[in-house]
Amino acid sequence: DTGVSQNPRHKITKRGQNVTFRCDPISEHNRLYWYRQTLGQGPEFLTYFQNEAQLEKSRLLSDRFSAERPKGSFSTLEIQRTEQGDSAMYLCASSSQGGNSPLHFGNGTRLTVT
Amino acid sequence: KQEVTQIPAALSVPEGENLVLNCSFTDSAIYNLQWFRQDPGKGLTSLLLIQSSQREQTSGRLNASLDKSSGRSTLYIAASQPGDSATYLCAGLIYNQGGKLIFGQGTELSVKP
Repeated sequence: DTGVSQNPRHKITKRGQNVTFRCDPISEHNRLYWYRQTLGQGPEFLTYFQNEAQLEKSRLLSDRFSAERPKGSFSTLEIQRTEQGDSAMYLCASSSQGGNSPLHFGNGTRLTVT
Repeated sequence: KQEVTQIPAALSVPEGENLVLNCSFTDSAIYNLQWFRQDPGKGLTSLLLIQSSQREQTSGRLNASLDKSSGRSTLYIAASQPGDSATYLCAGLIYNQGGKLIFGQGTELSVKP
């Protein structure tokens, strides 16, 4: 079990640029989640996949955000035309199927938009 | 809409004290409740998961309880140590909403040597 891996760990970008983050879940987990966390707050749900199917998207996920999990393994989260309000920690988690499977989180990607 | 609240937002205790962190939720249709630990700049580490049919779970010095009827969960830490200093988050999983966890804002714990 190598854990959930996220890259990059930090990303600094200028407003208006596009950024893409990657998440590699625990290999046997078929569920993958993206959360966003700002300073002093708990994580907020963005979206989740079961295998390659994106089953739910939060209303927080504007049209500038898109997530994919093309082969049911790793996932990418892209933010287009970044805004300063997008600055946050983006967390990925994975779990086995089943409501009582705990989520395993990666260390996150910290995005700073200047 | 499910809301999860944690009180207090911050707590400082001397080493060796037993302490309780509180978590309340508004919707009793909760599938399970999970407690996580988060160190500064890091992701979340799962500590305990209590299923809706359970009343409590224990792991080492940690004990978590769940009372669905009152909408409350507590995390008890026995004999606290400086290494327990971190932010503790509770999160509820709602019925029929896949894997979407609703998080509280966390309690930042500092254990002084």
